[in-house]
Amino acid sequence: ETGVTQTPRHLVMGMTNKKSLKCEQHLGHNAMYWYKQSAKKPLELMFVYSLEERVENNSVPSRFSPECPNSSHLFLHLHTLQPEDSALYLCASSQGLDRPYYEQYFGPGTRLTVT
Amino acid sequence: AQKITQTQPGMFVQEKEAVTLDCTYDTSDPSYGLFWYKQPSSGEMIFLIYQGSYDQQNATEGRYSLNFQKARKSANLVISASQLGDSAMYFCAMREGRTGNQFYFGTGTSLTVIP
Repeated sequence: ETGVTQTPRHLVMGMTNKKSLKCEQHLGHNAMYWYKQSAKKPLELMFVYSLEERVENNSVPSRFSPECPNSSHLFLHLHTLQPEDSALYLCASSQGLDRPYYEQYFGPGTRLTVT
Repeated sequence: AQKITQTQPGMFVQEKEAVTLDCTYDTSDPSYGLFWYKQPSSGEMIFLIYQGSYDQQNATEGRYSLNFQKARKSANLVISASQLGDSAMYFCAMREGRTGNQFYFGTGTSLTVIP
């Protein structure tokens, strides 16, 4: 595997379910990110991790719970979601946070539908 | 205020022609980076080109070039010799030096290449 991978690619869940999204990066990067992409809205940064420590949490509801067990893996645990949480969830990684020129590499995303 | 503004929701270009996608940004940080990403219908965000705030020359990467006008705070993407595979969403993004955690994205421009 190369780059950034995400599983599952598609997920349909009811509002009472609990599920997890997984992201893995094979680039040796130190920073990882979760984004939410809804139609006709800019990408919304949800969480940022640097060396497994959460450094940003952009007012995300507690029904989204991130976990970063090591610098290569990032999870997003979901529970009691709402229909408006339906979106494409993108994971990204970058070499670090301390240089403005560190581009982000994105995974293919998980298309989440909450019914 | 919006950090990144993309005013063209949709653009059309004839195959083999050049096209310019507009992006303006807002920051008071003297150190920042500007990025362009391409998102095909498959969902994955693909990094195209980077321009640093201190770079003296416009960035180029193959058929992509960035028309960087610092005083006007614009960073337009120029795609030369358009190909059918260029049809996608294009996002402009910025990372500021002092808040490296945050990546700001625009709402995107949908480009359609006409054969």
